[in-house]
Amino acid sequence: GENVEQHPSTLSVQEGDSAVIKCTYSDSASNYFPWYKQELGKRPQLIIDIRSNVGEKKDQRIAVTLNKTAKHFSLHITETQPEDSAVYFCAANQAGTALIFGKGTTLSVSS
Amino acid sequence: DVKVTQSSRYLVKRTGEKVFLECVQDMDHENMFWYRQDPGLGLRLIYFSYDVKMKEKGDIPEGYSVSREKKERFSLILESASTNQTSMYLCASRPGTNTGELFFGEGSRLTVL
Repeated sequence: GENVEQHPSTLSVQEGDSAVIKCTYSDSASNYFPWYKQELGKRPQLIIDIRSNVGEKKDQRIAVTLNKTAKHFSLHITETQPEDSAVYFCAANQAGTALIFGKGTTLSVSS
Repeated sequence: DVKVTQSSRYLVKRTGEKVFLECVQDMDHENMFWYRQDPGLGLRLIYFSYDVKMKEKGDIPEGYSVSREKKERFSLILESASTNQTSMYLCASRPGTNTGELFFGEGSRLTVL
């Protein structure tokens, strides 16, 4: 089955800096790669996703890149703000299977 | 608005008790999932279901079972609760496409004494 590794486990940045979180996956058949944000005490919510036919996707300050050959994908947050502080999860799956999540990255943005 | 409701936000049970965690979604989604969330371990898949009366084991099914008698309801059952099942349990659902956004419930925090 799929296995997703996520790094780093914690990340501290200053407000305005960029943050990058990286994930690798094991199953070359996986073709859907979402990122979820979980604020303290709340449920995880989708912030951006990418499918295997696309190499990069942007949505305002966040972007995701995918390297299918190397089986890794990354989340990039630019101009970080205190409200970006949360736990971020990457995940992967293919048609007919459930989403498998990484262990999460706790991002702290200090002002 | 999409809604996944977990019946209990907080539960305290004793070792050996049978525990039911209920999840209901009002979006007519075919797919439903149960995950367990522990610090440093992320979200781990326990069981999932693609249709009524259908279930599939996830990565950590030991000690758990599930029931899906109706499309909107997916129950997680701990036949004999143990202290190592103390955790946050998250239910999620997704439309009938094979990939796509998961909609999560607010979670049920279970403590087993």
